[in-house]
Amino acid sequence: QSALTQPPSASGSPGQSVTISCTGTSSDVGGYNYVSWYQQHPGKAPKLMIYEVSKRPSGVPDRFSGSKSGNTASLTVSGLQAEDEADYYCCSYAGSNIKVFGGGTKLTVL
Amino acid sequence: EVQLVESGGGLVQPGRSLRLSCAASGFTFDDYAMHWVRQAPGKGLEWVSGISWNSGSIGYADSVKGRFTISRDNAKNSLYLQMNSLRAEDMALYYCAKAGGIAAALDYWGQGTLVTVSS
Repeated sequence: QSALTQPPSASGSPGQSVTISCTGTSSDVGGYNYVSWYQQHPGKAPKLMIYEVSKRPSGVPDRFSGSKSGNTASLTVSGLQAEDEADYYCCSYAGSNIKVFGGGTKLTVL
Repeated sequence: EVQLVESGGGLVQPGRSLRLSCAASGFTFDDYAMHWVRQAPGKGLEWVSGISWNSGSIGYADSVKGRFTISRDNAKNSLYLQMNSLRAEDMALYYCAKAGGIAAALDYWGQGTLVTVSS
């Protein structure tokens, strides 16, 4: 059960797009379409932003999108806004009733 | 409105036990899997354990296997985490979260309960 690999930080200016990667193995990210992404603002509980690789829950802006290629999943935030500044975590099912999170990426809006 | 309210956290000595609870409301509890996720101070999220709607499927992170036990009482709309042989590294904010299935995403989270392990 190794954590998924995310870059510690990412940044972009308002209106720009930024992509955060999440690399796992064929036993987790590459093996299942149960990749999800969570946004966490300081002192708050995480919020689901993307589920099943690329689906958006109701209420999540369409500026947020997800994709997967092989063992790497990605979250893209388009048209960056100040309120998008937060920590982002990926998570994948890893079989045998196990889940694994990424280490998290701090997104800064410049 | 979905509500998940954790309780049971507190200060505990290394080696001792603690039982966390999560009271659920606003949805049909026994239709959903439930999970525990923790976050050590200043650190990232760590999945701890998950349980299917009927307790038929259960999983644990390697870091807690053999020490923690997840359970649920569908009649009481409650989720539990029995934590034994606590270690300093178990100190964290513990969240409960709801999911469509044991593999599915965590779509609602509680606000967490803090567990402090210290002598």
